[in-house]
Amino acid sequence: GENVEQHPSTLSVQEGDSAVIKCTYSDSASNYFPWYKQELGKRPQLIIDIRSNVGEKKDQRIAVTLNKTAKHFSLHITETQPEDSAVYFCAARSDTGGFKTIFGAGTRLFVKA
Amino acid sequence: KAGVTQTPRYLIKTRGQQVTLSCSPISGHRSVSWYQQTPGQGLQFLFEYFSETQRNKGNFPGRFSGRQFSNSRSEMNVSTLELGDSALYLCASSLELYNEQFFGPGTRLTVL
Repeated sequence: GENVEQHPSTLSVQEGDSAVIKCTYSDSASNYFPWYKQELGKRPQLIIDIRSNVGEKKDQRIAVTLNKTAKHFSLHITETQPEDSAVYFCAARSDTGGFKTIFGAGTRLFVKA
Repeated sequence: KAGVTQTPRYLIKTRGQQVTLSCSPISGHRSVSWYQQTPGQGLQFLFEYFSETQRNKGNFPGRFSGRQFSNSRSEMNVSTLELGDSALYLCASSLELYNEQFFGPGTRLTVL
């Protein structure tokens, strides 16, 4: 079945450093790739997304890259701040035979001040 | 505009019972998806509804079912509860099928 693998499961960085989270998806029909941030006790919130016709998208300190050939996409956070500490989820959405969003297992990011 | 709401927020049930969870999407949103979140498994896709039609279903047993009403509100039902059904159940709504999903606060279900 469809699957999204996310690495690493835990990431600890120093404030100001960059953080990179990588995901690989299996369903070649996937065409929409959102990233969500979930703080402790709160609901997931979209931070950035990318569609399959685009290779890269940037929003201030956050960027996402997509390699459709390799079925691989990544989240890059630059100049990390303590408030970036949270769990980040990648997801892949396809529209074949209905619509389904498959999430990765999550990455717990710690930003040390 | 009010966000996605879910009721109840917390629920305690015993094995064998059944439960119904409710989700009210953002006004105007026609797509509603349901997810199960557990510490070890992340967010697992349950089903997605659009205009009262279930468009897709995840890999969950038949004990998990859902429906969507004409006002886009959605319910999910879990019958014959098992201990492993203890989780946070999240619903998310979007304006159309290709748009950003907005999550509700979730319903925390505990099965004893």
